Amino acid sequence: EAAVTQSPRNKVTVTGGNVTLSCRQTNSHNYMYWYRQDTGHGLRLIHYSYGAGNLQIGDVPDGYKATRTTQEDFFLLLELASPSQTSLYFCASSEWGGRYAEQFFGPGTRLTVL
Amino acid sequence: AQSVDQPDAHVTLSEGASLELRCSYSYSAAPYLFWYVQYPGQSLQFLLKYITGDTVVKGTKGFEAEFRKSNSSFNLKKSPAHWSDSAKYFCALEGRGGSNYKLTFGKGTLLTVTP
Repeated sequence: EAAVTQSPRNKVTVTGGNVTLSCRQTNSHNYMYWYRQDTGHGLRLIHYSYGAGNLQIGDVPDGYKATRTTQEDFFLLLELASPSQTSLYFCASSEWGGRYAEQFFGPGTRLTVL
Repeated sequence: AQSVDQPDAHVTLSEGASLELRCSYSYSAAPYLFWYVQYPGQSLQFLLKYITGDTVVKGTKGFEAEFRKSNSSFNLKKSPAHWSDSAKYFCALEGRGGSNYKLTFGKGTLLTVTP
């Protein structure tokens, strides 16, 4: 079974702060995703990638950058964090993009921006 | 554009009853539909998916879902429900976003099964 890990699990920062969320998957999946989960919104896609060096824009990309350094590692960057980015962030991976592929989710990172 | 609606934010029922969680979608092409479950304090887990063919698909943990093209629905069912089914359930639609496919999630339904 695919393993997706995230770090840190919890993070508190201040407005204007610089935050990097990390995700690693160990099942050689091609696709990786970053979502945020907020009450009343379900999960919303921020960015995704289909391989090292690739980045695709999701549905709510404003204020976020992402980078896929290897097939295993996908990072989400908040360079000027704002309170509106307080959320629960999930990373996920899948063997291929769409085509009814199951996504495997990490445990989540809870980010609080004060 | 694609969208998923889960009209019931919270459903409560007694253990042993039948559960049915509603999901409707809007999409211009043939849909690929999923259900995921999130247990308290945990991440999301895949339950089942509909690709094509049979309108009733079976998944893990005794769940099944019925696809109805006529009213664009994909409702999740289980009978009987158990207290351990208490969780948040998300319906998702896979659709095209540019040249790639991506999932659009509903807002989720929080299910509480009382012993």
